Amino acid sequence: QQQVKQSPQSLIVQKGGIPIINCAYENTAFDYFPWYQQFPGKGPALLIAIRPDVSEKKEGRFTISFNKSAKQFSLHIMDSQPGDSATYFCAASRQGSRDMRFGAGTRLTVKP
Amino acid sequence: DAGVTQSPTHLIKTRGQQVTLRCSPKSGHDTVSWYQQALGQGPQFIFQYYEEEERQRGNFPDRFSGHQFPNYSSELNVNALLLGDSALYLCASGPYGGGRYEQYFGPGTRLTVT
Repeated sequence: QQQVKQSPQSLIVQKGGIPIINCAYENTAFDYFPWYQQFPGKGPALLIAIRPDVSEKKEGRFTISFNKSAKQFSLHIMDSQPGDSATYFCAASRQGSRDMRFGAGTRLTVKP
Repeated sequence: DAGVTQSPTHLIKTRGQQVTLRCSPKSGHDTVSWYQQALGQGPQFIFQYYEEEERQRGNFPDRFSGHQFPNYSSELNVNALLLGDSALYLCASGPYGGGRYEQYFGPGTRLTVT
């Protein structure tokens, strides 16, 4: 069922660094690409999302870069903080569908 | 404004039993989707409800069933529990139509089957 591949599986950066998490999708019908942040014992929280008609979107310290031809998108976290330590999931869905396909997740650790 | 709420928080059941999980969507949302998240994995779509009907279904057996009530709240029922059903069950709500796709998740119900 997995149609979204996410890498890396885990990532460790120093405070202030810029972690980058990458995702690749297969289904060209996908047209909505959100990123979620999940802390242990909590549900995923929607961070930022992008549609394929733009190549980049910024919200605060979070930026999505989107490459439609390569069927890839990535999350960049600027000036990362220890409080950003969490698991990040990319996802994709197609118009009219609530069936979001999630990546396997990236466990981010930001060291102080 | 309350977000998505789920109950109970934790649940322990025995193999073969039945379980019911509950979800109240975020105010203003009329669709509810259910996801299963196994440990260390991303959520997997079970089904979606809108206007009290199941609209979409993922690759889950019919032991998994649901219901949506007129106030948009929803239940997930799982019959004949298997050990492999142990997971975090997430409810997500969102608006229907208008070109809006976002879904907001609740805190989940941790189900343990022994």
